[in-house]
Amino acid sequence: EPEVTQTPSHQVTQMGQEVILRCVPISNHLYFYWYRQILGQKVEFLVSFYNNEISEKSEIFDDQFSVERPDGSNFTLKIRSTKLEDSAMYFCASILEWADNSPLHFGNGTRLTVT
Amino acid sequence: DQQVKQNSPSLSVQEGRISILNCDYTNSMFDYFLWYKKYPAEGPTFLISISSIKDKNEDGRFTVFLNKSAKHLSLHIVPSQPGDSAVYFCAASARETSGSRLTFGEGTQLTVNP
Repeated sequence: EPEVTQTPSHQVTQMGQEVILRCVPISNHLYFYWYRQILGQKVEFLVSFYNNEISEKSEIFDDQFSVERPDGSNFTLKIRSTKLEDSAMYFCASILEWADNSPLHFGNGTRLTVT
Repeated sequence: DQQVKQNSPSLSVQEGRISILNCDYTNSMFDYFLWYKKYPAEGPTFLISISSIKDKNEDGRFTVFLNKSAKHLSLHIVPSQPGDSAVYFCAASARETSGSRLTFGEGTQLTVNP
């Protein structure tokens, strides 16, 4: 079964540094997402992306965050200047279409540790 | 954000018995509900969903029930198997008003004992 793949599985960075998290969504999917889960907290929506633009973003997704689909396969999340509170599991997800019985497929996540 | 709430952080059941996981929501605009299962070091895996026009959806050992008047849904797993041991997340979306954003509950750790 096709999978959403994320790299790296674990990223350690120093506060203030830029970090790029990478995702390869399922190949024929059209909608792409980033979610995050801070340790001990809920999975939270960050941003959705469709037709090469952001379709929706949460209040968490401020100017320090950006997303890009630089080619036909990759979908990236950039954090410009990381803060300690950005430490979390970041999950990429994709979906073919937004309809019943067409659920979000998640990758295995990137654990980001900001020191 | 308390729009989706799973009040039981953990549940333990015997193999072969029924597991019932519960979820409450407050946003009356939610019209689509999903259950995801998550193993450690993996992403959430879709289990089953239900649209607000239905009150029950069944897929093999998994059944989701939706009570719109009570703003409550539940996931029944029967019979439970040790491999079902994982964290189960309830999620909801308001597709007409908020597009495809999912709002998750806190999760319930299910342990199925052999």
